[in-house]
Amino acid sequence: GESVGLHLPTLSVQEGDNSIINCAYSNSASDYFIWYKQESGKGPQFIIDIRSNMDKRQGQRVTVLLNKTVKHLSLQIAATQPGDSAVYFCAENKASTGNQFYFGTGTSLTVIP
Amino acid sequence: DVKVTQSSRYLVKRTGEKVFLECVQDMDHENMFWYRQDPGLGLRLIYFSYDVKMKEKGDIPEGYSVSREKKERFSLILESASTNQTSMYLCASTPSFGRTEAFFGQGTRLTVV
Repeated sequence: GESVGLHLPTLSVQEGDNSIINCAYSNSASDYFIWYKQESGKGPQFIIDIRSNMDKRQGQRVTVLLNKTVKHLSLQIAATQPGDSAVYFCAENKASTGNQFYFGTGTSLTVIP
Repeated sequence: DVKVTQSSRYLVKRTGEKVFLECVQDMDHENMFWYRQDPGLGLRLIYFSYDVKMKEKGDIPEGYSVSREKKERFSLILESASTNQTSMYLCASTPSFGRTEAFFGQGTRLTVV
């Protein structure tokens, strides 16, 4: 399989601060990079994706940055809220492999009230 | 909303038993996936299917098989359960190739004793 997601396993942030979750990948041929959020007791849920030919994409309170030079992906969460506490996974997707998703090991984000 | 439903939240089985994990999606998605999730290892792909009666091996297919007789249903089979198959199993679906948003079920926590 592909190698993706050398996450830090845990991250704690103060409520209201910005969070940055990082991910490294090794496969330069991926078509998309994706972030998923997994709350306790639930399956992962799609947050945002970025095509491999882009550098930045913004969503609602989230921004994903892709640095292809150093093969690094990050998810920035603005004004972190208690509901953001979850495990965050980066994943890569390559259409030519049959639309498989390769997931990293995840970062557990804890928001301190 | 897309719904992916796994038949059991928790299962306890004995070593050597044949185990069936069922997954149903209600949105006519073409692709379905089975992952297992273990601490520190992230999500690893076991098998996936892009059409009825079609299946492809993922990264860790040993000890597992799958069945997709109908488009909406994808079953994971443990032919002879072993203790090292104790894990969280997640089913997911996507509408078609090239789509990055995978929809996950809530997971089945399987314990093999």
